[in-house]
Amino acid sequence: KQEVTQIPAALSVPEGENLVLNCSFTDSAIYNLQWFRQDPGKGLTSLLLIQSSQREQTSGRLNASLDKSSGRSTLYIAASQPGDSATYLCAARSSGSARQLTFGSGTQLTVLP
Amino acid sequence: DGGITQSPKYLFRKEGQNVTLSCEQNLNHDAMYWYRQDPGQGLRLIYYSQIVNDFQKGDIAEGYSVSREKKESFPLTVTSAQKNPTAFYLCASSSGGTANQPQHFGDGTRLSIL
Repeated sequence: KQEVTQIPAALSVPEGENLVLNCSFTDSAIYNLQWFRQDPGKGLTSLLLIQSSQREQTSGRLNASLDKSSGRSTLYIAASQPGDSATYLCAARSSGSARQLTFGSGTQLTVLP
Repeated sequence: DGGITQSPKYLFRKEGQNVTLSCEQNLNHDAMYWYRQDPGQGLRLIYYSQIVNDFQKGDIAEGYSVSREKKESFPLTVTSAQKNPTAFYLCASSSGGTANQPQHFGDGTRLSIL
């Protein structure tokens, strides 16, 4: 059964820093991996989706990478801003159950002004 | 605007009561999903539906029921059999055909016990 882990659970950085959020998964037979942002009391906003055949995806200041062999994905945020403060979740879609996502518990990011 | 609407935003359940959470989407998506989120945890899949009049159990379906009579709607009923219903419930949808499309989420319903 797929398990997804995100470490650390919380992270505080000063504004302007570049930062990396980590996501690891136990079953490398994934179909794709998706990164989400969740603001307090809100739903999830999709940030990036990486297919299993891809190594990375970029959107603005965000860059997500995928290394299936090591079971890891990273979300790189460049030049962080206070508005980036939120919880970031990753979710893996395993090949065996094509429409089900397995979520990590998230990293709560605080960017200090 | 296209999107997913969940209602109500807050819901309270009395002992022994069934309650129904609404989820409506106007994205013309075939697949819809219900997740439960507990504090400090990731989302867990309750039920999902790939087409109208068809749905499958997720990892934690016990104490819940769903229906999919229309493409746009996927209501979730939390029954009295669910002994720990207090949680944040999220509905999602994705376009059908293949599994390589991202899931889009509503703003959630927070359910509490009175």
